[in-house]
Formats: sequence, C-alpha cells, structure tokens
Amino acid sequence: KAGVTQTPRYLIKTRGQQVTLSCSPISGHRSVSWYQQTPGQGLQFLFEYFSETQRNKGNFPGRFSGRQFSNSRSEMNVSTLELGDSALYLCASSSAGGSPLHFGNGTRLTVT
Amino acid sequence: GNSVTQMEGPVTLSEEAFLTINCTYTATGYPSLFWYVQYPGEGLQLLLKATKADDKGSNKGFEATYRKETTSFHLEKGSVQVSDSAVYFCALSGMDTGRRALTFGSGTRLQVQP
Repeated sequence: KAGVTQTPRYLIKTRGQQVTLSCSPISGHRSVSWYQQTPGQGLQFLFEYFSETQRNKGNFPGRFSGRQFSNSRSEMNVSTLELGDSALYLCASSSAGGSPLHFGNGTRLTVT
Repeated sequence: GNSVTQMEGPVTLSEEAFLTINCTYTATGYPSLFWYVQYPGEGLQLLLKATKADDKGSNKGFEATYRKETTSFHLEKGSVQVSDSAVYFCALSGMDTGRRALTFGSGTRLQVQP
C-alpha cells in the first residue's frame, strides 16, 4: 500500500509570492491534516479536512488555506509569502475514527 | 489549552544503554498520547500510542505507560541500537480539539554511538 505522497519535496519562493503544496493520502483514508515544522516553533497544526470539509483549524493567519478534493487529495496554499513561512510542511492522513496519523515526508519550503 | 513538555536533547548514549525520554502533558479530559519518531529527511512515523490511563503502548522494544496521576508518558527502551538515532516527539490529541489535531512536544534528538 502506497504511503502519503507529498509534492514537491523542495520549493524555493520569493517573499510576496504564493505557493501550493499537494498531498495524496493513503488509499481509503478520508482525513488529511497539515502541519508546519520549524526549528523555532516545532510542529504546529494547520488544519484538517474530511470529506472535502475543513473540520479543524489551527492558529495561523488567513494567508494559509487548504482544500480537499472528492478523491481525498488535498492542497495547501500560502499567499503573500513571508520569510517566516520557511518550514517543512507535513501532511498526514488517517481513516475515520481514532486511527493514527500516517505522515508523508514533507515539502520543504524556503522563502527568500 | 493543551501542551506537551519533553526533556531537552540531544541525548547521547552508547549502544545497548537504557533509554528514557521524559514527557509530561497538560490537557483537559482524557487525551490520547503518542510517540512519533522522525529520521533525517523523512516525515514522522508513529512509534506507539495509548488511549486511556494505565495503558502501555509498545513497539520495536520501545514502551510508554499513560500515567494520569502524574500526567506523564515517558518513553523507555532497554537496549538502544545505533539505528535508533532519530528525533522523538511526544504528542497528544485532545477531545476538545479533535482527534487528528495533535499537539506535539519540541522533540528530543537521540544519538546512539557504537
């Protein structure tokens, strides 16, 4: 069974630009969550989608948004990039209920 | 709100030494508790979990017991190997924030020397 796939693995963007990251969950998983990992703030929850609906949102500005498609694939968008948005963005999927999260290898975003 | 506190790293041990990584938490109600491991260049892998008080999670020789009275979930392994070198994260999911909105500790880097 294929794991969680995140694309691209690396991205370099300039301040003020926007970026879209993609996540394909494990087949059959309907929940997708996104996390930001930085050396200073550690791992922080961004948002969670289930059946195309956002079910939970972390404490991030409105520049961070996401969506989920009918095939459970998810995208995350960051607009008006800031230097502080440089981070490893991790996607995780799970099936319904209390099953554990399965993480992808992340997309490393560098903002210059 | 929820929070997780882990011991600062790095933790440096010789092969076959005993490992303890301390983790304490603050949460309302009865959270589920997890240990995740991150190898260089990779995402997080679930190592073990416990969903109620006195549960013991175990996997690959690692174990941790959910202690509600001390709000702790310390990770232990009797004999570490070089291949255990990684960053270990303690995490919780609270009933109030949704089961898939994990709160993570800051991570503890483990270095095992041959």
